[in-house]
Amino acid sequence: DGGITQSPKYLFRKEGQNVTLSCEQNLNHDAMYWYRQDPGQGLRLIYYSQIVNDFQKGDIAEGYSVSREKKESFPLTVTSAQKNPTAFYLCASSRDRVGSSEQYFGPGTRLTVT
Amino acid sequence: GQNIDQPTEMTATEGAIVQINCTYQTSGFNGLFWYQQHAGEAPTFLSYNVLDGLEEKGRFSSFLSRSKGYSYLLLKELQMKDSASYLCAVRDSGDYKLSFGAGTTVTVRA
Repeated sequence: DGGITQSPKYLFRKEGQNVTLSCEQNLNHDAMYWYRQDPGQGLRLIYYSQIVNDFQKGDIAEGYSVSREKKESFPLTVTSAQKNPTAFYLCASSRDRVGSSEQYFGPGTRLTVT
Repeated sequence: GQNIDQPTEMTATEGAIVQINCTYQTSGFNGLFWYQQHAGEAPTFLSYNVLDGLEEKGRFSSFLSRSKGYSYLLLKELQMKDSASYLCAVRDSGDYKLSFGAGTTVTVRA
């Protein structure tokens, strides 16, 4: 079955530690995205990638970093510079970024930093 | 950029109809998406509108008026499993990024 996997589902970290969230897709999609979701707010775009070895900052990229070394994988690192890292993180992919190409979402990782 | 508004919560009875409105202000429009998200789960795609009018897909329909910056999602014959958050998202014509509304939580009561 094709889809997007994110691991782990729940992640706990101490303040000051960097943490990397995994995202893998086997849909053969070119575009991949990272969003964070906070209560009462819409999904906010952190980073996106249109093609391997290329990525762009979204609306809230500060304190985050990504890489896109393989088409299937788009890991997100939450660094210690991110002031409010506790959130629900969603990875998504789409065939491309235009037309009726909808985004498919992974199950999400809930990160708690104390 | 985009400014997207949708009601926070709605409640309806099983078997009834509910209409979720979404208004947006955008510097450039390139399509509007509706997603369903159950608590703690991933959003799933419901519909896509880029031209004015109504798109029907089973019990769900979505309408768009570009001149009014307005869309609605219509849920008919409500079922308990339709209790979820419904997200309106608008794509920008400049950078093709999606901007999401905060979501409307629909509660279906027996």
